[in-house]
Amino acid sequence: DVKVTQSSRYLVKRTGEKVFLECVQDMDHENMFWYRQDPGLGLRLIYFSYDVKMKEKGDIPEGYSVSREKKERFSLILESASTNQTSMYLCASAKGTGVYGYTFGSGTRLTVV
Amino acid sequence: QQQVKQSPQSLIVQKGGISIINCAYENTAFDYFPWYQQFPGKGPALLIAIRPDVSEKKEGRFTISFNKSAKQFSLHIMDSQPGDSATYFCAASIQAGTALIFGKGTTLSVSS
Repeated sequence: DVKVTQSSRYLVKRTGEKVFLECVQDMDHENMFWYRQDPGLGLRLIYFSYDVKMKEKGDIPEGYSVSREKKERFSLILESASTNQTSMYLCASAKGTGVYGYTFGSGTRLTVV
Repeated sequence: QQQVKQSPQSLIVQKGGISIINCAYENTAFDYFPWYQQFPGKGPALLIAIRPDVSEKKEGRFTISFNKSAKQFSLHIMDSQPGDSATYFCAASIQAGTALIFGKGTTLSVSS
């Protein structure tokens, strides 16, 4: 089975800190995605990547950046954490385009205090 | 802005009943429409998906109905069971594997 692993299940950070959320997939997937999930708002796309060193903004990229130096790893960076970035962050990957759907990780619950 | 509108926000169904969740989309370039199921503490998991060249797809107790002219699609869960209690998300994208736009989710509770 494809596995998408997010490095932390729960994370508590202080306002203004730089935060790194890591995501690793083990099935050679080309496409990787970061979403945040908030009650009543569903899943909103932050950034995505279809190849190493490639990144595209999603619907809510403000306050975030990403890094994809290796095919299997996609990192989400909160440049200066704020309380409104308290959320569940979900990483997903997909094998190319046209055939397969996403596989999601279990998520990182980030609290910014 | 590309949107996928999902309703209802929550749904309570008796065991053995039919659960119906509806979604509507705006972007006619969307060509892939999956449904995801999420249990508490877990990431969403792909349940079933459809492309607009068919009007219906069935997998076990789960059926997607698709109306291309109305730009609507729906999930039907037949013989609903307590184990189906979860949050369901519809989504849409231009191709499978590309950036998905999700609906806001429906919390389904199946009472025994």
